[in-house]
Amino acid sequence: DGGITQSPKYLFRKEGQNVTLSCEQNLNHDAMYWYRQDPGQGLRLIYYSQIVNDFQKGDIAEGYSVSREKKESFPLTVTSAQKNPTAFYLCASSIESEKGAENFGPGTRLTVL
Amino acid sequence: KQEVTQIPAALSVPEGENLVLNCSFTDSAIYNLQWFRQDPGKGLTSLLLIQSSQREQTSGRLNASLDKSSGRSTLYIAASQPGDSATYLCAVMSNYGQNFVFGPGTRLSVLP
Repeated sequence: DGGITQSPKYLFRKEGQNVTLSCEQNLNHDAMYWYRQDPGQGLRLIYYSQIVNDFQKGDIAEGYSVSREKKESFPLTVTSAQKNPTAFYLCASSIESEKGAENFGPGTRLTVL
Repeated sequence: KQEVTQIPAALSVPEGENLVLNCSFTDSAIYNLQWFRQDPGKGLTSLLLIQSSQREQTSGRLNASLDKSSGRSTLYIAASQPGDSATYLCAVMSNYGQNFVFGPGTRLSVLP
């Protein structure tokens, strides 16, 4: 079955540590996205990538980094510079030609202790 | 900059009621608008996608309308069921954007 997988589902880290969230898709989608969701708020865009080896900052990129070395993978690193990293992180992908038709992964809940 | 709001923030209704969820956006130059459902701790499931040239979309008990000129969309749920309990998110794709701008969501509880 085609889809988006995110791992792990739950992640706990100590303050000051970097952590990497995994996102993999087998849909052959060109574009991939990372969103952050906080309670009572909508999703906010962190980074997106429309093609391999290229990515752009979203609205809240500070304290995060990404890479896009393969079409199917778009890992997100939450660095120690992110002041409030505890949140629910969602990855999405879409066919570049079908603007707005995004498929979402199941999410990773990151808790920084 | 596009901003999306949703009213109400939370809604609790008895089973069987018809209900309306509201979404407002500030910039009418939209490409499309999408309604999503999110269960607690889960990802998003697409419910209805309305292109800018369309006025409404229907799927089963769900009907979504779009009025670009007033910057509004509504999601109508007929004959609500306890299984409809979830958070409903409205998202707007602008003509010039590459990603959705999301509203904060409406948390719906349908009581048996």
